[in-house]
Amino acid sequence: AQTVTQSQPEMSVQEAETVTLSCTYDTSESDYYLFWYKQPPSRQMILVIRQEAYKQQNATENRFSVNFQKAAKSFSLKISDSQLGDAAMYFCAHQSGYGKLTFGQGTILTVHP
Amino acid sequence: NAGVTQTPKFQVLKTGQSMTLQCAQDMNHNSMYWYRQDPGMGLRLIYYSASEGTTDKGEVPNGYNVSRLNKREFSLRLESAAPSQTSVYFCASSEGGRGEKLFFGSGTQLSVL
Repeated sequence: AQTVTQSQPEMSVQEAETVTLSCTYDTSESDYYLFWYKQPPSRQMILVIRQEAYKQQNATENRFSVNFQKAAKSFSLKISDSQLGDAAMYFCAHQSGYGKLTFGQGTILTVHP
Repeated sequence: NAGVTQTPKFQVLKTGQSMTLQCAQDMNHNSMYWYRQDPGMGLRLIYYSASEGTTDKGEVPNGYNVSRLNKREFSLRLESAAPSQTSVYFCASSEGGRGEKLFFGSGTQLSVL
């Protein structure tokens, strides 16, 4: 069974600065996908970024990028030029068959003005 | 474009009562999922339906039943609610293939007294 671990329950960052959220996972699969979802106080789950394990290149989406280390089973999220609207709970997730996601425990990100 | 619609948004039950959470999606997705979210534990999969007519247990199925009524609708039933089932419940849907993102409903806050 897959497991996903987020070891940082809470993180904080100053507006306009950069922050990195950590995620490690365990899987026996060779082909899989990894995701970062954002959950603001509204409770809505919003996809931030997606990475395919077979792709060497790290995914980027505007101010969001990942550092994917397949051998180390590490998948961290970097948020550049942090904005107040980035404040949320962030979940790392591993995807297996039929689209099922296994989530980490979540990291609460606070952005200070 | 409604996406994934869950009802109700809030519910309070007494121990032993039963209820059904309703979920419908209008994106013609093949797969549907029920997750529960608890503090410090992320989202955990209760049941999923890979396609119309099939359902399978996830990580935490005990105390729940599901019905994939048709391609659009996937309901979650608590036959005899327990305080341990106090949680936020999310329904989600996806195409079901690898790499496909999940679309989430807005969640149901359930309290069992």
